[in-house]
Amino acid sequence: SQTIHQWPATLVQPVGSPLSLECTVEGTSNPNLYWYRQAAGRGLQLLFYSVGIGQISSEVPQNLSASRPQDRQFILSSKKLLLSDSGFYLCAGSMTANEKLFFGSGTQLSVL
Amino acid sequence: GDSVTQMEGPVTLSEEAFLTINCTYTATGYPSLFWYVQYPGEGLQLLLKATKADDKGSNKGFEATYRKETTSFHLEKGSVQVSDSAVYFCALSDRGDSSYKLIFGSGTRLLVRP
Repeated sequence: SQTIHQWPATLVQPVGSPLSLECTVEGTSNPNLYWYRQAAGRGLQLLFYSVGIGQISSEVPQNLSASRPQDRQFILSSKKLLLSDSGFYLCAGSMTANEKLFFGSGTQLSVL
Repeated sequence: GDSVTQMEGPVTLSEEAFLTINCTYTATGYPSLFWYVQYPGEGLQLLLKATKADDKGSNKGFEATYRKETTSFHLEKGSVQVSDSAVYFCALSDRGDSSYKLIFGSGTRLLVRP
């Protein structure tokens, strides 16, 4: 079965510092991959999705970027964090022919 | 754009009580609808889904019916257990190109007391 590894579980970073969150997939190949964020009191918001290596679609303009250097690796980055980047970040995956999503356990990011 | 609205939580119930968590959606097309559950310390898991109007999704005693006329997908369970304590997310899918997007509600925390 498919598994997503996401780390760290919690992260506290100062404003202006860089960010790199990594997500890796096991148990399948060529998945669609997603980064979601949940800000306090709001729903999960799709940030990026990727259908393959080097292919990234951005859903909302923001201070973040994503990359997919390998089939099973999806990275969320920022050069300079803002206070508004605080939130819960969730990596997810799916197979094209199957709507079922599988999820990582999430990263709670606090920018101070 | 498409959106999902869920009832505010937390919802606190006694064991064996009846559960309803309301969910309504706005969509331009014909989305699929989902309920996801996040147990403490774990990732999100698919609980049930419905892909067209009048479909009923069910799993682990939970049910939800896709109501196009009221644009709703309310989650119900006849008798909750302490182990059902979790956060429940309603979601819809919007298919495009070779991938699709899930749009989530804000989540409803359920606390079941013994």
